[in-house]
Amino acid sequence: ETGVTQSPTHLIKTRGQQVTLRCSSQSGHNTVSWYQQALGQGPQFIFQYYREEENGRGNFPPRFSGLQFPNYSSELNVNALELDDSALYLCASSLGTEIYGYTFGSGTRLTVV
Amino acid sequence: QQQVKQSPQSLIVQKGGIPIINCAYENTAFDYFPWYQQFPGKGPALLIAIRPDVSEKKEGRFTISFNKSAKQFSLHIMDSQPGDSATYFCAPSRGNTPLVFGKGTRLSVIA
Repeated sequence: ETGVTQSPTHLIKTRGQQVTLRCSSQSGHNTVSWYQQALGQGPQFIFQYYREEENGRGNFPPRFSGLQFPNYSSELNVNALELDDSALYLCASSLGTEIYGYTFGSGTRLTVV
Repeated sequence: QQQVKQSPQSLIVQKGGIPIINCAYENTAFDYFPWYQQFPGKGPALLIAIRPDVSEKKEGRFTISFNKSAKQFSLHIMDSQPGDSATYFCAPSRGNTPLVFGKGTRLSVIA
């Protein structure tokens, strides 16, 4: 299957809980980047994984962490959820670390109550 | 996002009109100037992009105009259609650094 797949599509969590979001990269892509998109805003870079290593991080606290697996799929973990973490979380895959060939998934809508 | 200022925030045009969306940036090291289109419930999709060695690029009904000295680039949509109604983001960047998105412009094309 081509394209970037994210799961789940929607999620509701309680403040203080932990959440794991998943991303399957597009076939042939080895780099995954995660973005947070608050309502009415543009996406903001969280971090990037290349060949299973974190390869860059935006201005997000350590409670945002990730993993990339040998098949290049990825997870985003958020601990101690806060109300402001409510957002659309987007995964983008690419071949190599350059941003020219980004393909975004449809995102996971996280609501923290 | 403070590095990138996108305008207007929202835009309503009649079908067949030519909406223009502008993006101003600060970082002179940027060498990639894309526009992304996002429909509700979907992730952003690359619409068109330009490099700084050209001043204009056209793909179908979409045109980017680039003004390096003014540090601005614009998206023009010719013969706009209701199906073009979406949120548009500029996201200038460089090489292997992350995309820096503007706040978006919500376009509504009314029949």
